Amino acid sequence: QKEVEQDPGPLSVPEGAIVSLNCTYSNSAFQYFMWYRQYSRKGPELLMYTYSSGNKEDGRFTAQVDKSSKYISLFIRDSQPSDSATYLCASQGGGNDMRFGAGTRLTVKP
Amino acid sequence: GAGVSQSPSNKVTEKGKDVELRCDPISGHTALYWYRQSLGQGLEFLIYFQGNSAPDKSGLPSDRFSAERTGGSVSTLTIQRTQQEDSAVYLCASSFAGGRNQPQHFGDGTRLSIL
Repeated sequence: QKEVEQDPGPLSVPEGAIVSLNCTYSNSAFQYFMWYRQYSRKGPELLMYTYSSGNKEDGRFTAQVDKSSKYISLFIRDSQPSDSATYLCASQGGGNDMRFGAGTRLTVKP
Repeated sequence: GAGVSQSPSNKVTEKGKDVELRCDPISGHTALYWYRQSLGQGLEFLIYFQGNSAPDKSGLPSDRFSAERTGGSVSTLTIQRTQQEDSAVYLCASSFAGGRNQPQHFGDGTRLSIL
């Protein structure tokens, strides 16, 4: 079993929809949770960074962490075609133990 | 400011040849990571450098893979006697310091194809 599980999709939504992306993790030591966005033929770009449980909002993006259920979510409001990319979740404890999900490929159709 | 720079962006080589991939991290970042990304497989950790400490090589898949970091800055990942299964995108990342509370910043990777 991978330490971070993520449904690879693909996920296709119409422009303006609310997108929900999810991951689960198994390592109770993970405290830091990240979402990266990766456009085709580009490196992952840090989108959201959270510590422990709770919500963090940045514009149209909200990251949610529930440590009790080991569940990580990213919500995208008013999705745009420019949001079409692969979204990677990642989790980390305190050392060099960052683990990535496989990535969910999202397409937002105009 | 400059981000993480990787070269070459693409590399095509024949099976059995050696390849060298280069990473130039963000200035001032002491931690440097190499990952391999295969289609649909996510990021696979390869090796981690932090300052002058001994590198964490626990992710290297075989002894054909090695990496070095000169002067605490530029890093080179070397793959000897390449095999077709080595075909992947090799990503480099750096962070201000290793470990907690230090998000990693990625380059655009080297797309390696072994014929």
